[in-house]
Order: sequence, then structure tokens, then C-alpha cells
Amino acid sequence: GQQVMQIPQYQHVQEGEDFTTYCNSSTTLSNIQWYKQRPGGHPVFLIQLVKSGEVKKQKRLTFQFGEAKKNSSLHITATQTTDVGTYFCAGRREYGNKLVFGAGTILRVKS
Amino acid sequence: EPEVTQTPSHQVTQMGQEVILRCVPISNHLYFYWYRQILGQKVEFLVSFYNNEISEKSEIFDDQFSVERPDGSNFTLKIRSTKLEDSAMYFCASRGFRQNTEAFFGQGTRLTVV
Repeated sequence: GQQVMQIPQYQHVQEGEDFTTYCNSSTTLSNIQWYKQRPGGHPVFLIQLVKSGEVKKQKRLTFQFGEAKKNSSLHITATQTTDVGTYFCAGRREYGNKLVFGAGTILRVKS
Repeated sequence: EPEVTQTPSHQVTQMGQEVILRCVPISNHLYFYWYRQILGQKVEFLVSFYNNEISEKSEIFDDQFSVERPDGSNFTLKIRSTKLEDSAMYFCASRGFRQNTEAFFGQGTRLTVV
């Protein structure tokens, strides 16, 4: 079945350092979405990437979708304590309905 | 802003008992989902529902699970005979009709089976 792998599992950075999480799907995706989950909270949608090679930015966050539409990354520049949480990628296959989540990357930021 | 609402926020039940988790999706959404997240682990797909029927389900969604949309607004997940390993956070989500739309998640129901 469709699998979405995400690394690293956990990252602890000093405030101001950069952070990147990577996502890789076993199948070609129609789109990939990124969610953030704060401790004790629910997944909150951040962004969606649809086109091959697409790059989108949200302030200090940069999202990329690979040319083959099988991998994606989220990069945070100059992390802040408000960035803490778990970042999940979630992919949907072409004509598919379900979103399959990666395992998530837990980000901790030390001030 | 429209939101997905789930009730109850926390449910404690004895092993073997039936539970019903309730969700009110966003009103003009057509696709509905249940996911679960065991503490500290990934968000796992359970089932998707469209046009009053299940469109996809995972291996987790066995005969103990069922979903219903009884009245056009609520979307429920029933677990017939709960097991200890059913303890998890259960999230309901909904999305609009177009393929490339995001899913909106509810706040979740924490189910504890004792």
C-alpha cells in the first residue's frame, strides 16, 4: 500500500538555527500537504503543493515538491520557540481520496 | 471561520464496551475522514466517507469499526467492543469536493480504554 516516510523523527535545535524535514512517498502523488501539530493539539494545515518542482514560501518556511512528485521538504529558517511542534507531511495519490501521513518530525527549539 | 467539531473531547470506557465518537464536519464539505493517533505516534488513516458510503478504509478499520452519517450533519465513528489498544486520539476531518483541497481537522476525542 501507499507509504509516506518522513525524516528525521526528532530534531532539537538552538533558537536561530535552521531546520529541515524530508518526506518521501512510495508512490507518485497528486499533491502533498504539510500540517503542524502543537503538543496536545490537532493537525493544522500549513500548505499544499501540487505541481512538480513547486516551491512555496510562508515567511520563514519554505516548502518544496520534487520533480517526480514523490518527495517533499519543509525548511524553516532561523527557528523561533513558536515553531515547536510536530510537522507532518501527508500525500494523496492521483484520483485517491485518503491522505496518508508521514510519521512526523518533532521539532524542539532551545532558547 | 468554519471548523470541524468533535464530541466528547475525552471519553473513558471499559474494555468491551461500545463507544460512539461524534463529529460535525464543515457544512459544505463532502468528504469525511477518521484518523487516529496513538500517543506520540503518527496520524493513521482509518476511513474515508463520501456520498453516504465508505470510499476507502485501512487495515485498522476492521469489523469492530463502523461509520455513519445519520442526519446529514453528524458523522460518527462507532467501536463495537473496545480493546485496550484502541486507546488513542481520534480525529475527524472533512474537505471540499475539489481534488486539491486541504483537510480540516477537528480538535480530536481522546479515547481511553481501561
